[in-house]
Amino acid sequence: EPEVTQTPSHQVTQMGQEVILRCVPISNHLYFYWYRQILGQKVEFLVSFYNNEISEKSEIFDDQFSVERPDGSNFTLKIRSTKLEDSAMYFCASREGDRGNTGELFFGEGSRLTVL
Amino acid sequence: GQNIDQPTEMTATEGAIVQINCTYQTSGFNGLFWYQQHAGEAPTFLSYNVLDGLEEKGRFSSFLSRSKGYSYLLLKELQMKDSASYLCAVNGHGQNFVFGPGTRLSVLP
Repeated sequence: EPEVTQTPSHQVTQMGQEVILRCVPISNHLYFYWYRQILGQKVEFLVSFYNNEISEKSEIFDDQFSVERPDGSNFTLKIRSTKLEDSAMYFCASREGDRGNTGELFFGEGSRLTVL
Repeated sequence: GQNIDQPTEMTATEGAIVQINCTYQTSGFNGLFWYQQHAGEAPTFLSYNVLDGLEEKGRFSSFLSRSKGYSYLLLKELQMKDSASYLCAVNGHGQNFVFGPGTRLSVLP
């Protein structure tokens, strides 16, 4: 069964460093998302991406964050100058589109980011 | 603004039925989704409602009332493996899916 894959599964970084989290969405999906979940808290929307551009972003997704689809398969989240409060699980998700399906999100297993 | 509420925790006994409620206030509505999330894992899709009424899927059913901004997830014949968090999520408008805080369900033997 097709799945969303994410790397790395866990990354530890020093405060102020840059991190790149990588995702390979399901191949025929059109919409891509990044969510984050701080330990014990709810899943929070960061950004959605469609047709090679950001379609929506939340207040959390400030200038520290950027997304890119550098080729036909990868979808990356870059966090510049990480802060302690960026420590969280980051989930990538994709969905097929708006026609003939329920439109549910398919999530990757997540990348756990720990900022020291 | 967008607001989704769920009870924080629930406890039920193996073999029983449990109903997890969700209320929402969103700008726009394109559908309501329920996800299951085991500790340390990714959310997985359970059900989808866009029209009022009940959708049944095996041991799981989900109900929606758009006029009341209300949904519930019904789990029957509870099993120990159903111990997890259950997340209500609304596609309000555009591509944004907003998640509720989740309800942590503990199934006891």
